[in-house]
Amino acid sequence: GAGVSQSPSNKVTEKGKDVELRCDPISGHTALYWYRQSLGQGLEFLIYFQGNSAPDKSGLPSDRFSAERTGGSVSTLTIQRTQQEDSAVYLCASSLVATSGYQETQYFGPGTRLLVL
Amino acid sequence: GDSVTQMEGPVTLSEEAFLTINCTYTATGYPSLFWYVQYPGEGLQLLLKATKADDKGSNKGFEATYRKETTSFHLEKGSVQVSDSAVYFCALSKQGKSTFGDGTTLTVKP
Repeated sequence: GAGVSQSPSNKVTEKGKDVELRCDPISGHTALYWYRQSLGQGLEFLIYFQGNSAPDKSGLPSDRFSAERTGGSVSTLTIQRTQQEDSAVYLCASSLVATSGYQETQYFGPGTRLLVL
Repeated sequence: GDSVTQMEGPVTLSEEAFLTINCTYTATGYPSLFWYVQYPGEGLQLLLKATKADDKGSNKGFEATYRKETTSFHLEKGSVQVSDSAVYFCALSKQGKSTFGDGTTLTVKP
């Protein structure tokens, strides 16, 4: 079946502008994750949605970052007043229910490459 | 908080050489452990996983054993191929939240 999709694949914006990044998870996956991968570095956890529970926002680096997930499916990550240090690849992943003590495999999208000039 | 430390790269090997990429973790409780791989131009994908102590994950000739006593999950392969050239990420997950290592770039030369 279809995997995780993200759009746009690339985004170039000017400093101070707002951007929205979209993620379509695998159908039936109730858990959705956003990560940021900066050049030459590992993945930095941003936010996690699980079903109808309140999201875990502990990884969001500042209040300029926010995310929502509508109808338990599509998610949008919004970065307001972008800064040059926001330039990175933003990855979305989804999984089946993450049960206590066990983590289901995460399936990653291709990412959105964001460049802030 | 939880953390993952993996062997710094880049690692360059000749074809058919033995591979070890070290990974150690710090976490409370009982995390699940993963190795993900990112081939050139492709997205991250799961390579193998282990969900409890002493479990061995294996796939495509790669293996890793969940060692709770040493808090390690080292990745090994007995004979690497050129097609194994990629970036390898060790990760732990616990109650939905994942922590990744910085990645190790492996280049295999013919």
